[in-house]
Amino acid sequence: DAGVTQSPTHLIKTRGQHVTLRCSPISGHKSVSWYQQVLGQGPQFIFQYYEKEERGRGNFPDRFSARQFPNYSSELNVNALLLGDSALYLCASSLGASGTGNQPQHFGDGTRLSIL
Amino acid sequence: DAKTTQPNSMESNEEEPVHLPCNHSTISGTDYIHWYRQLPSQGPEYVIHGLTSNVNNRMASLAIAEDRKSSTLILHRATLRDAAVYYCILSKARNDYKLSFGAGTTVTVRA
Repeated sequence: DAGVTQSPTHLIKTRGQHVTLRCSPISGHKSVSWYQQVLGQGPQFIFQYYEKEERGRGNFPDRFSARQFPNYSSELNVNALLLGDSALYLCASSLGASGTGNQPQHFGDGTRLSIL
Repeated sequence: DAKTTQPNSMESNEEEPVHLPCNHSTISGTDYIHWYRQLPSQGPEYVIHGLTSNVNNRMASLAIAEDRKSSTLILHRATLRDAAVYYCILSKARNDYKLSFGAGTTVTVRA
């Protein structure tokens, strides 16, 4: 079975531009989460979507937004890119809205975004 | 949020067991203990999780202290492919969609 797929794998943008990153969850998974991983640090939570609704948001500015489609795929959008947005952006999927802590997340290999 | 404490790094020899400790003294009764690992140039990979009882799967074993204030991830026979950063994370029932990653433990495996 296919795992979580993300596209593109690499992307180079300049300051002020916007970017859209895409994620396809594992088949049957209805929950998608996004993380940002700056070089040398652990991933930081950005958003979680379940059944097309935002369930959680991390400490990121409004320049970051996301949405989930009826097929449970998701997009992460970042506007007015800054040099500090250079990072690996990870998507993770899980079965559903657990609310118990008993649900592992499955990650893709990420999109490496470089801002010049 | 309850935090976890892990050593920065550990070294092991190939085909020997690796015991990775994690302290979580402020864990609450409903927090699950999750372990993920991240190989170079890849996204994090789920390893194992548990609540109170020890757990085994094809990748590893998780030993949880009786008071749940600490746990140990056990890789029974390390291979070069096990070289990675290992993260111990508490998954809270209220917001288990949000994993809070720390710095993790960097495991080096010597051939």
